[in-house]
Amino acid sequence: QQQVKQSPQSLIVQKGGISIINCAYENTAFDYFPWYQQFPGKGPALLIAIRPDVSEKKEGRFTISFNKSAKQFSLHIMDSQPGDSATYFCAAQTGTYKYIFGTGTRLKVLA
Amino acid sequence: NAGVTQTPKFQVLKTGQSMTLQCAQDMNHEYMSWYRQDPGMGLRLIHYSVGAGITDQGEVPNGYNVSRSTTEDFPLRLLSAAPSQTSVYFCASSYFRGQPQHFGDGTRLSIL
Repeated sequence: QQQVKQSPQSLIVQKGGISIINCAYENTAFDYFPWYQQFPGKGPALLIAIRPDVSEKKEGRFTISFNKSAKQFSLHIMDSQPGDSATYFCAAQTGTYKYIFGTGTRLKVLA
Repeated sequence: NAGVTQTPKFQVLKTGQSMTLQCAQDMNHEYMSWYRQDPGMGLRLIHYSVGAGITDQGEVPNGYNVSRSTTEDFPLRLLSAAPSQTSVYFCASSYFRGQPQHFGDGTRLSIL
């Protein structure tokens, strides 16, 4: 019940294409859903986050879509660039401080 | 501002040795946490703290100890290192729940 399932494990996209990463959860107590971006040798960095009272949030080329009834949320990267090549993690937070992370998606954008 | 600083960046230990991974933040964040990152398993919470003097267990606490005597520092101790603890360890901090975490750049630990 505490899991956050992330897919796909890896993704290859052409430059200018749309990258889509999906996450699903079971615990309805989760109330904060951030996405993190991680480059090799670095720690994860917050990319964008959403709360369950909003169905979509957009920041530049990055959009989170949130479906509360299906208990799913996804990250869309529009006009994907080679500089977006990184590992992406979804996460969820419960009423306590605990974060549960997905297993990560390794994105490669081809030039 | 340095943000979240982790030391050392790399460490090799022998089985049974002990060591302390250091984490310091200069953002006056109340919440701090330790994660381990293993291939294909994402980040798993080891221990966390919601303020000085207050700590609690995460998902994978066995083999690790923590303490929080100041707001700034949150060290992670391995009392008797085991090969299963070979991993990349990340420290993170945030103001309070529902706010983004700031991560350090990690400590890469190998236990032989």
